[in-house]
Amino acid sequence: DIQMTQSPSTLSASVGDRVTITCRASQSISTWLAWYQQKAGKAPKLLIYKASTLQSGVPSRFSGSGSGTEFTLTISSLQPDDFATYYCQEYNTYGRLTFGGGTKVEIK
Amino acid sequence: QVQLVESGGGLVKPGGSLRLSCAASGFAFRDYYMSWIRQAPGKGLEWISYISGSGSTIYYADSAEGRFTISRDNAKNSLYLQVNSLRAEDTALYYCARQLSMATGYYFDYWGQGTLVTVSS
Repeated sequence: DIQMTQSPSTLSASVGDRVTITCRASQSISTWLAWYQQKAGKAPKLLIYKASTLQSGVPSRFSGSGSGTEFTLTISSLQPDDFATYYCQEYNTYGRLTFGGGTKVEIK
Repeated sequence: QVQLVESGGGLVKPGGSLRLSCAASGFAFRDYYMSWIRQAPGKGLEWISYISGSGSTIYYADSAEGRFTISRDNAKNSLYLQVNSLRAEDTALYYCARQLSMATGYYFDYWGQGTLVTVSS
């Protein structure tokens, strides 16, 4: 099975900071990767799919990049609403769907 | 608008069973794959199972194989998860999610708010 490793697990940042979260796959997944944002007590929300395609309605300060085994989610200028936990998810493997362990973005 | 509403969770003893339901509205339910995903308290997301729009294709995570059964009733716009032989480690918030197709990729564009399953004696 493919393993998805996110880093860091926790990130402390200030409003206005540029934030980058990394997701590594244990084998190549092409660009079959999605990113989700989850706020406390809420369901996850889709941000990006196919590694870099922004879901409709998601602010343009969010961007995704990467292919193969290494991917990044970048928030260009962190806003108060962005403090949350972020998960990557691979969908390369037919019959198996795997999430990363999550990255919590906290207020510095 | 797309809505997914889960129900059926609760407190159950180890070894017990529950049937979780997800009522869908606002889209052509039969045209979409659907998944169950769970989240243990304070932990990350774990995909459990998915089912195709027709119900002909079903997959399970290893943790669910043999104990959980996914099904759907397209006439009722409903998704189900029968969970048997429950263990303490099955305690989690169970989400249903709309899943895109193989053509576009198996990611999740809409999620319900979840139903809580607590396994405890």
